[in-house]
Amino acid sequence: TQLLEQSPQFLSIQEGENLTVYCNSSSVFSSLQWYRQEPGEGPVLLVTVVTGGEVKKLKRLTFQFGDARKDSSLHITAAQPGDTGLYLCAGQDYGQNFVFGPGTRLSVLP
Amino acid sequence: EAGVTQFPSHSVIEKGQTVTLRCDPISGHDNLYWYRRVMGKEIKFLLHFVKESKQDESGMPNNRFLAERTGGTYSTLKVQPAELEDSGVYFCASSQGQAKNTIYFGEGSWLTVV
Repeated sequence: TQLLEQSPQFLSIQEGENLTVYCNSSSVFSSLQWYRQEPGEGPVLLVTVVTGGEVKKLKRLTFQFGDARKDSSLHITAAQPGDTGLYLCAGQDYGQNFVFGPGTRLSVLP
Repeated sequence: EAGVTQFPSHSVIEKGQTVTLRCDPISGHDNLYWYRRVMGKEIKFLLHFVKESKQDESGMPNNRFLAERTGGTYSTLKVQPAELEDSGVYFCASSQGQAKNTIYFGEGSWLTVV
């Protein structure tokens, strides 16, 4: 069974601080996606990483896929209250299905 | 372009009753997925349709759950009879084409079994 772990589970920081969220697995994935989910809504895709070692930037968010395609990180620079939400990583197996991590709940205080 | 839509958005039913959830994928998307999140747990895969065919239903918890996608357009997920542990959020997602393509999630159907 493929499992994804995320750390930390909860994170509360002040506006302007930097943070990193980690997503780890013992399994290799064909791709990995990061989502943000807000209360009452479905997950919204932030990024897909495909190649081992790949780094993608989305404004203040930097995503990295591990060289072995088993782990990933999400770094947010100068966090803002609008970044508050549940961040989910999901690894895609070779059968096209996704395995989700439990999520990191981020709260950015003004 | 309309996104993935799900109906109902919320449902409260009694144990033993039947509930049918509907998902309309993005037009033209052959792949349709059902996922669910029960309280305190991570989002888990239920099944995957490619057009009208079930590609993978390994995540379906038991035979009280029946998913259909007649005609390869919208899909329904029926729970009969519902049990308390079925409470949670049922997400539908769709994608186009091959693996590694973006999948788009609906807002979820929130099911409460009392």
